[in-house]
Amino acid sequence: KQEVTQIPAALSVPEGENLVLNCSFTDSAIYNLQWFRQDPGKGLTSLLLIQSSQREQTSGRLNASLDKSSGRSTLYIAASQPGDSATYLCAVYSNTGKLIFGQGTTLQVKP
Amino acid sequence: DAGVTQSPTHLIKTRGQQVTLRCSPKSGHDTVSWYQQALGQGPQFIFQYYEEEERQRGNFPDRFSGHQFPNYSSELNVNALLLGDSALYLCASSLEWSYNEQFFGPGTRLTVL
Repeated sequence: KQEVTQIPAALSVPEGENLVLNCSFTDSAIYNLQWFRQDPGKGLTSLLLIQSSQREQTSGRLNASLDKSSGRSTLYIAASQPGDSATYLCAVYSNTGKLIFGQGTTLQVKP
Repeated sequence: DAGVTQSPTHLIKTRGQQVTLRCSPKSGHDTVSWYQQALGQGPQFIFQYYEEEERQRGNFPDRFSGHQFPNYSSELNVNALLLGDSALYLCASSLEWSYNEQFFGPGTRLTVL
């Protein structure tokens, strides 16, 4: 059974700091992996989708990497801003399109 | 091009009642998946519909049922509501029953009193 874990559960950093969010999964036979952002009480905003044949994706200040053999993905946020404060969710795709989510990392960026 | 839409936005029910949530997929998508997100938790997969059939189901009781219409829109029905059913219900659409990228709607916040 696939399980997805995100560490840390919560993180507080000063503005301008670079940071890394971690995601691990127990079964390396995944297809795509996707990172989402969720603001309080809101739905999911897709940040980056990494296909199984890729090792990383970049969008602006965000970079996500995928290492299937070790069962890990990281989301790197450069030069963090208060507007980056949100919960970040990692999810892996099974071969049938079922998404399995981690519990999320709640990030607070202090001005 | 409209994205995934869900209705209603918020809903308040009492224990024992029944509720129906609705989802319209992104244009061109034919698969709809439903997820439940309890407060402070990651979303949990409920079930997925493709070609008007339930293709796979997560670990949810039979009180949770669904339907997909010929226009690919979908409904989630929950019977005999429990306090623990209070959650954000998310709908996602994708193309074909596979691991193609899923696009999420804004969700329906259900509160059971």
